[in-house]
Amino acid sequence: NAGVTQTPKFQVLKTGQSMTLQCAQDMNHNSMYWYRQDPGMGLRLIYYSASEGTTDKGEVPNGYNVSRLNKREFSLRLESAAPSQTSVYFCASRTGRTYEQYFGPGTRLTVT
Amino acid sequence: TQLLEQSPQFLSIQEGENLTVYCNSSSVFSSLQWYRQEPGEGPVLLVTVVTGGEVKKLKRLTFQFGDARKDSSLHITAAQPGDTGLYLCAGAPSNTGKLIFGQGTTLQVKP
Repeated sequence: NAGVTQTPKFQVLKTGQSMTLQCAQDMNHNSMYWYRQDPGMGLRLIYYSASEGTTDKGEVPNGYNVSRLNKREFSLRLESAAPSQTSVYFCASRTGRTYEQYFGPGTRLTVT
Repeated sequence: TQLLEQSPQFLSIQEGENLTVYCNSSSVFSSLQWYRQEPGEGPVLLVTVVTGGEVKKLKRLTFQFGDARKDSSLHITAAQPGDTGLYLCAGAPSNTGKLIFGQGTTLQVKP
């Protein structure tokens, strides 16, 4: 049972480059989330998707875009990476019945 | 802006000691969760509390939700090195579909 998968696991970008972080879940969950985690700041919500076809901004959306490709997949795109986007990125999903979230293993991104 | 304040941020103790981590807010939450995260991995859910005053136990871990549903605590009895990790509390404001996370408590239990 894969749960939530993320690719890639590590990435190094130069300032100004673009990339897409991929996330997929096999639990038939409706809602999916993208967070970033920085030291001493917990997890901050970037974007979320309550259901297929809908997306909404979270706490820190600037510099990011998302696509809910289908019920399983939710991707996060950095159009022009900046050093401030160096972070660990987590994707999560949840059922509609509870707030319990299931997290992927994370993508560690460094922007130089 | 709704905030969750966790304390302490860092805790280093010897095996066998007891500890308590606190999660406080001025806002009311419909539910509150505790997650544990190990290095290089994503957070894993430990427990969800939904009723004011609720107490849940998970082996040596005891979780409590405040009567007013604004705060929570995690108490670990006789800590073991396997308890080492980052503990995160997260609150669900009513009807938003989102979670707000505290900044986390890093626990180190030394043998």
